[in-house]
Order: sequence, then C-alpha cells, then structure tokens
Amino acid sequence: GAGVSQSPSNKVTEKGKDVELRCDPISGHTALYWYRQSLGQGLEFLIYFQGNSAPDKSGLPSDRFSAERTGGSVSTLTIQRTQQEDSAVYLCASSPTVAGYTFGSGTRLTVV
Amino acid sequence: ELKVEQNPLFLSMQEGKNYTIYCNYSTTSDRLYWYRQDPGKSLESLFVLLSNGAVKQEGRLMASLDTKARLSTLHITAAVHDLSATYFCAGYTGGFKTIFGAGTRLFVKA
Repeated sequence: GAGVSQSPSNKVTEKGKDVELRCDPISGHTALYWYRQSLGQGLEFLIYFQGNSAPDKSGLPSDRFSAERTGGSVSTLTIQRTQQEDSAVYLCASSPTVAGYTFGSGTRLTVV
Repeated sequence: ELKVEQNPLFLSMQEGKNYTIYCNYSTTSDRLYWYRQDPGKSLESLFVLLSNGAVKQEGRLMASLDTKARLSTLHITAAVHDLSATYFCAGYTGGFKTIFGAGTRLFVKA
C-alpha cells in the first residue's frame, strides 16, 4: 500500500487479556518503529527495528510488552496481561532512512 | 540521554497574527524533525532539518535549526484557523532513536 497500515484501528480488551497490534510498513522501508501516545501526551518510544539487526527494545515499559518483525516487513506488538495503564494510542512508523518517518493511523487500545 | 522540551505547550492565537514555537534539546542531535497532528489523527511530517542554520518553509510555517544553541523554532506567519493542531518537534539521538517533545497544542481563533 501507499502508507503505513495498522490494525485494528480500535481495540477494547478486558484487563488481563493479551492483545496483538499489527503494523504493515511502506514497502522497502527498512526501519520500523513503535511509539505509544497516552491521552494528551507526547510520544513515548517503545521499540525500533532496522533491517536484520537486533531490535532496540530499550523503550518497552515492562516484560509484558514484546514485538516481532517477520521477514523485514510486518511487525506485531504484543501486550500480555493488559493493564488499564496500557490504554493509549499505539503508533507505528516506518522510514527508508533517518530523514523522517511516515506514521500509521494508530491503534487506540482501551483496557477495561 | 537526549531530552526535548517545547514551549509553549498550549498556544491560543488570533488569525492573522505571528508566533513562534520553541524546541530546545539537551545534547547533540544530528537532525531535528517537526510533525503536525490533528485531533484523532496520526502524525504528519512537516520538516526535517539536517544542519546548523537550516531553514525550511512551507506556506505559513517556517522552521529553523541552531545546533550551537540546541534550538529549533517553528514560526507561524499570519495564522489561519486551518493551522490549529498539535505540533511536535523531535530530535535524533543516534542508534535511530527519535525523541519527541511533549507537543504544542495550537488553537487559532477566527
């Protein structure tokens, strides 16, 4: 596709359940990022993938969070045993270089 | 670790007026980004500033970078209501990690 695609766009889940968020980057973009944006807040870096290199996981807030990127393309962010403080918009972005990212529309996660 | 601070965090201005949003960062940053976010939408890239003294303009928005002062500015000329949005600056720390400021929520009153 022409842009970064994220699914689902909205997800409501019960506390304690696991969720998977998907990001399909722009074809050919080697870099992929996950950020989290809480209501009215800035962006919090979560994880970065670059090609076949080991990902930079330094932003993941706890071991309940993990992410994969298969075949250098699609990425899945998994949150286990969700908590209410996990409620936020999860944004994915991709880039061919460091000269600016293209962001997806985000997944709005609500944990009830 | 790189810290990025924007001010003001909230700005209400009249149409036709000029104003500047400031972005200070704490350590060396090879490049500086500006993004726009409309309510409920994702972020749209506005400018990428790559070197000291860089200036870029698009319509009523002009961004500049002073790496010695560790300061970037986003200047708004003759504001119009359509510019109402949240504006983020972001610095690059190396290792491909980009750190975002908290955002400046701009409201332009007709």
